[in-house]
Amino acid sequence: DIQMTQSPSSVSASVGDRVTITCRASQGISGGLAWYQQKSGRAPKLLIYAASNLQSGVPSRFSGSGSGTDFTLAISSLQPEDFATYYCQQVNSFPLTFGPGTKVDVK
Amino acid sequence: EVQLLESGGGLVQPGGSLRLSCAAPGFTFENYAMSWVRQAPGKGLEWVSIIGETGDTQYANSVKGRFIISRDNSKNTLFLQMNSLRADDTAVYYCAKGAELHFPKSRYFDFWGQGVLVTVSS
Repeated sequence: DIQMTQSPSSVSASVGDRVTITCRASQGISGGLAWYQQKSGRAPKLLIYAASNLQSGVPSRFSGSGSGTDFTLAISSLQPEDFATYYCQQVNSFPLTFGPGTKVDVK
Repeated sequence: EVQLLESGGGLVQPGGSLRLSCAAPGFTFENYAMSWVRQAPGKGLEWVSIIGETGDTQYANSVKGRFIISRDNSKNTLFLQMNSLRADDTAVYYCAKGAELHFPKSRYFDFWGQGVLVTVSS
């Protein structure tokens, strides 16, 4: 199975900050990675697919990059609605696996 | 408008069974892979199972041999039959739609249901 790790596990930030989250796969997954945002008590929301493609309707302050084993999600200017937990997911092989999550909270 | 409406959750004793349903109006259900993803209380996301548009299936190791995913395209409904339930199956179970028909986008989840809670306890 492909193991996914994320760092940091949590980050405290202020509105307007640039925030970056990294995700690492235990083996190469090419570009087969998604990023999801989950707010407390809500279902996850797809932000980025295929490592760098912005899902329709997602603000352009979100961006993704990377390939192989190392990936990054960036939020260019954090907005109040962005405080949430972020998960990466690999789709390269079964079983599909998620990272443990990164919580972005208020500094 | 895409909607995913889960039902069938509840409290069940260890070793028991439960069947989850996910009604999926608002899109051409038969053309998309569908998945179940769960989240234990206070924990992260765990993919459970996927069924392709042709009925091919895959499972997480933790549920293989105990859970069965199926679909009824005539009723636009996804199912998850859960048998031999254990305490560590306690979670909110989400129904999720694949983003497109074919790999790899079929494995990205662009719409999610609201989730249904399954509690396994004596």
